[in-house]
Amino acid sequence: DQQVKQNSPSLSVQEGRISILNCDYTNSMFDYFLWYKKYPAEGPTFLISISSIKDKNEDGRFTVFLNKSAKHLSLHIVPSQPGDSAVYFCAAISANQGGKLIFGQGTELSVKP
Amino acid sequence: NAGVTQTPKFQVLKTGQSMTLQCAQDMNHNSMYWYRQDPGMGLRLIYYSASEGTTDKGEVPNGYNVSRLNKREFSLRLESAAPSQTSVYFCASSEGRLADTQYFGPGTRLTVL
Repeated sequence: DQQVKQNSPSLSVQEGRISILNCDYTNSMFDYFLWYKKYPAEGPTFLISISSIKDKNEDGRFTVFLNKSAKHLSLHIVPSQPGDSAVYFCAAISANQGGKLIFGQGTELSVKP
Repeated sequence: NAGVTQTPKFQVLKTGQSMTLQCAQDMNHNSMYWYRQDPGMGLRLIYYSASEGTTDKGEVPNGYNVSRLNKREFSLRLESAAPSQTSVYFCASSEGRLADTQYFGPGTRLTVL
């Protein structure tokens, strides 16, 4: 039972354009949603998060949008840079599940110069 | 600060062998976690320790044991390795409050033949 799903395994974008990474979830009790970024041979690093009571959070080039009615969130990167090429994991957390992070499968973003 | 460190970086085992993966953090975090990452599956929680002296099962605990040796160290033991345990293992730590950022180590790539 995959509670957090990233249905696109990969995404290729031209440098300077917008990258949009999508994530769907099934559990309406999630309290927070987070995005982690992972480079090869390294551990994931935290990128940005959003509380379930908000619909948008912005941090520089990164914006996360949350649509609770659709149980969908997306990460927008504008403008995309070659250094953004990495695997992006969507994750969710719920207090009534002991605060454990539930990760999606990941989307590999490739930003081409 | 080294953050979260893991040893070893790579390991090859034969079926039935045992080994312990070591993890240490120097951020004075309360909570520590062990995940495994498999292709197409994202990161899945094996065990976690909300605070020193406590451990709990995650999503995929079978075949593993853990020890929270002290506040800094959290080890993962495979008593009798199986090919299905071939994976990349990540240790993480956090302050322990809901939605706190988890900081990940660089990972251990384990192959079981």
